[in-house]
Amino acid sequence: EAGVTQFPSHSVIEKGQTVTLRCDPISGHDNLYWYRRVMGKEIKFLLHFVKESKQDESGMPNNRFLAERTGGTYSTLKVQPAELEDSGVYFCASSPRRVAGPYQETQYFGPGTRLLVL
Amino acid sequence: AQKITQTQPGMFVQEKEAVTLDCTYDTSDPSYGLFWYKQPSSGEMIFLIYQGSYDQQNATEGRYSLNFQKARKSANLVISASQLGDSAMYFCAMRGGLNRDDKIIFGKGTRLHILP
Repeated sequence: EAGVTQFPSHSVIEKGQTVTLRCDPISGHDNLYWYRRVMGKEIKFLLHFVKESKQDESGMPNNRFLAERTGGTYSTLKVQPAELEDSGVYFCASSPRRVAGPYQETQYFGPGTRLLVL
Repeated sequence: AQKITQTQPGMFVQEKEAVTLDCTYDTSDPSYGLFWYKQPSSGEMIFLIYQGSYDQQNATEGRYSLNFQKARKSANLVISASQLGDSAMYFCAMRGGLNRDDKIIFGKGTRLHILP
């Protein structure tokens, strides 16, 4: 079974440009999460999709960030326009949606996209 | 508010020795879950071990065990017989509340170096 994949693995852009990150979750996983780690800081939650619906977007830093998950499959995270402080590693994670069963369901993470804004 | 604290930014350990990575947490939720993830230099986040707040026994997964002390709000990761491949960043994390789909909150991580 393929894991969570993210594209691109690295992106270097100039301030003011637009970047779109893509995440393909594990097949069949309804939950999809975006996280970000800025240099030296904790990994921080950005938002959570259940299928195509945004369940929780409390971690989105501002309206320059737009996440979509059309059709409930892959997701994109667009940053427009990018600022210097957006540099960091963006992780995507997915998990199956369970209404019963073990509480311990973990989230499966992708390898991350390293974004550098110059 | 929920918080994870990892006080060791870096550790150096001789190969084959046991390692304890510290983690304390803070939450007001009566039900929560604690996780440890490993991030090698390749960048992916690898799930290692889980401990539920109501679990009576400490979790174990191969060479990994979680020393769960609920009253002290600590969830230290113990790696027995360390190997060179254990060199990586280790993150302690928590999911609070009853909803098993909730977001995970991470600590800042501990970078572990295993010396030959």
